[in-house]
Amino acid sequence: EAQVTQNPRYLITVTGKKLTVTCSQNMNHEYMSWYRQDPGLGLRQIYYSMNVEVTDKGDVPEGYKVSRKEKRNFPLILESPSPNQTSLYFCASKVGSGRVNYEQYFGPGTRLTVT
Amino acid sequence: AQSVTQPDIHITVSEGASLELRCNYSYGATPYLFWYVQSPGQGLQLLLKYFSGDTLVQGIKGFEAEFKRSQSSFNLRKPSVHWSDAAEYFCAVGGNTDKLIFGTGTRLQVFP
Repeated sequence: EAQVTQNPRYLITVTGKKLTVTCSQNMNHEYMSWYRQDPGLGLRQIYYSMNVEVTDKGDVPEGYKVSRKEKRNFPLILESPSPNQTSLYFCASKVGSGRVNYEQYFGPGTRLTVT
Repeated sequence: AQSVTQPDIHITVSEGASLELRCNYSYGATPYLFWYVQSPGQGLQLLLKYFSGDTLVQGIKGFEAEFKRSQSSFNLRKPSVHWSDAAEYFCAVGGNTDKLIFGTGTRLQVFP
């Protein structure tokens, strides 16, 4: 089954404790992206990757890091989480970077709470 | 500036009633438009998309949307709502890049 998976689905952590949210897709998609969803703000892009070893900032990259060492994986790293990073996070992937007439597929989301 | 506006934060309808969710966009190039649905505790599922051609597009679950370039709108419609349609709906616009710009969402509540 074609899918985007994220782990963990739920995470409660404390300020400053480094964490990683994993994202994996089995569709051989070139493009991958991370979003955060906050009430009243919709989804905002954090980082994206056009292909292996190619990543770039989205609209709200502060406090986050990403890496793309393999095509299928795109982990989101919070080196020193803060309470304002409490949010619902989505990973997405899409076929053919730059091939615009394809939709993005979304993972189930990771709800992160930073206390 | 590129943006998507969903003017209705929350809509309540009775089961069996018709539904229209509004979406207006601002985009400098040819827009590609999407509607996604997010059921409680779930990820986003694509309902329908518009790239070109017929401005009335059909999607899954009985939804349709109409692209009106003159009004910069892409409203989502359903003739008869089911209780299972209760969810949050997001309109999004893309263009000649991979980036999607999302609206703030409309939460749909369905009363029996």
